[in-house]
Parts: sequence; C-alpha cells; structure tokens
Amino acid sequence: DPKIIQKPKYLVAVTGSEKILICEQYLGHNAMYWYRQSAKKPLEFMFSYSYQKLMDNQTASSRFQPQSSKKNHLDLQITALKPDDSATYFCASSQDGWGVDEQYFGPGTRLTVL
Amino acid sequence: GEQVEQRPPHLSVPEGDSAVIICTYTDSATAYFYWYKQEPGAGLQLLMSVFSNVDRKEEQGLTVLLNKKDKQLSLNLTAAHPGDSAVYFCAVSGGGGADRLTFGKGTQLIIQP
Repeated sequence: DPKIIQKPKYLVAVTGSEKILICEQYLGHNAMYWYRQSAKKPLEFMFSYSYQKLMDNQTASSRFQPQSSKKNHLDLQITALKPDDSATYFCASSQDGWGVDEQYFGPGTRLTVL
Repeated sequence: GEQVEQRPPHLSVPEGDSAVIICTYTDSATAYFYWYKQEPGAGLQLLMSVFSNVDRKEEQGLTVLLNKKDKQLSLNLTAAHPGDSAVYFCAVSGGGGADRLTFGKGTQLIIQP
C-alpha cells in the first residue's frame, strides 16, 4: 500500500484558475514538505511543516498556500495559475527527529497550466 | 544559501561496470547527505542517507563516499544492471529536523545491456 498519497496524479488547469493538490501520509511522520520539479529548474524546496506548523517557506509568491487540516495532511492551494506553474509537485514527509531525518516522497502531481 | 553541483548530467555504462556520480556542496555546515533514485513518471526513492561523521557507507551494491575537506559526496554503483537505469539525485541538508533538502540537478544513468 502506498504510504504517501498524492491526488490527483495529473492535473490540467487554465491560466488564472485555482487548484488544490492533495497529500496524505501514512508513515506516522511529524513533518511534511512540498517540492517542485520543472523542466527549467532542478527539484526545489517550497514549504516545510512540523506538527502542523509552518517551519520554512521558500516560495516567494503568496499564490501558493499550504493547508494542514490534520497532522498527516498537507495540501497545496495554488491560485491565479500561470503557465510557469507547470511542474510536478512532490509531497514528502519525515519523522522530524534528532539525527538523520530521512524524507520520503510521494509519487507527485503533474500540473499543466494552459 | 547552499548550492549543490552534480556531475555528470548524463552517464552511460555497460552492464556489469561501475558508475560514479559526484556532488559538490558549498556550505561547510551541511551535515546530512542523501541519494535518491527517480524512475520515469515516479517519485523519488531514498537510496541512502549519511551523516557527516561517516566517510564511507556501503549498502546493497551502493557505496557513498563523503569528503568533507573538499565538500564532495559521491555515489558508486558497482556491477550495474539495467534496473539501475534512472535519474539519480544527491541532496543535502544542514539540520536534522524538518530541514529543507537542497538537490543537485540529477544524473541520467543508462545501463547498456
């Protein structure tokens, strides 16, 4: 059974619209993350949450808003979509303990903005 | 901020040979090092994690070497087989908890049958 679920797997949106990317993890982890992978840039960190609190935000635009309704959920709302937002968005989670804190990744949501 | 350079971007080796991927990082405070494998259309699979007090770690045909003096991290796949064909990423972080990973740009590895 998949331990990190991302929905949907593929998403097509029109410019200016709003979408929510879903992430749920069943690893019992306390920290969750969002990363983005596009053709133009390598894998880049977006947000990190620990115990449902925002820890780090590397996303300059307020159009990207993470939402944590439960400890094992971290959704990503994207508003006013632009073609440059087209990318694969990966959710990850980790224990958030001392020492090596291994991050495990979900299968990703591939977003295409037309 | 931290920057990670990864080389080579593409690597093709015959089956049974070894493949070596190298990453260089900039921040001497970096303490945690990871290698991931990504197959087409899939997420990232964690291969190995290394803390900075380790110079060498071996697991299941993979060897990670860490040279802190030169700020260099390498992954050696010994006796590669076609199932090893994928994109490999190194990643580093400074802290242990809920800390961002900074990734290299990836190496497309092709194992020729």
